[in-house]
Amino acid sequence: NAGVMQNPRHLVRRRGQEARLRCSPMKGHSHVYWYRQLPEEGLKFMVYLQKENIIDESGMPKERFSAEFPKEGPSILRIQQVVRGDSAAYFCASSPGQGYNSPLHFGNGTRLTVT
Amino acid sequence: AQSVTQLGSHVSVSEGALVLLRCNYSSSVPPYLFWYVQYPNQGLQLLLKYTTGATLVKGINGFEAEFKKSETSFHLTKPSAHMSDAAEYFCAVSSITGTASKLTFGTGTRLQVTL
Repeated sequence: NAGVMQNPRHLVRRRGQEARLRCSPMKGHSHVYWYRQLPEEGLKFMVYLQKENIIDESGMPKERFSAEFPKEGPSILRIQQVVRGDSAAYFCASSPGQGYNSPLHFGNGTRLTVT
Repeated sequence: AQSVTQLGSHVSVSEGALVLLRCNYSSSVPPYLFWYVQYPNQGLQLLLKYTTGATLVKGINGFEAEFKKSETSFHLTKPSAHMSDAAEYFCAVSSITGTASKLTFGTGTRLQVTL
């Protein structure tokens, strides 16, 4: 039973380019969360999605960031026109539901470096 | 609003010694509390969680934590440290209301285990 799969593991982008981060949730999980971890900090919630719906995007920067979870395929976190401050580890987590008996399962993250 | 404070960004213990990692939370509603462990270049793994019921919860790898409402604390302990426990530990809170799987994390405590 594969866990949460994120790719790529490492991504290097120059300032102004676009970054696309992919997340395939665990089998049977229809809830996906994206978190960002800046150096020496804890994880910060970005967005919560279910299939084809954004449920909570209260942690997403207002500009340049978007997320989707289509009916088919992985969830995508997209960052347009990246800047140095976007350099961080981005973690995806999935759960089968949203109750407290549905703990989050995390992927190994995508480490984005903006040069 | 919820928040988590982890006292001590770095903790060092000798192998075989008691491990105590501190976590205090702030929540206006009954909290759900979690401890996660992160090994280098990996995602977060759930150690244990408190939702309702018994305030002393046992997790994997010999760790346990006690929910103390009067102290708003959820400290993580292990009687005897092992070298393999060296990692970063995150305390997190969510709530009964809203999205229970949306977590607010502390900034983490890096545990070092020495011979």
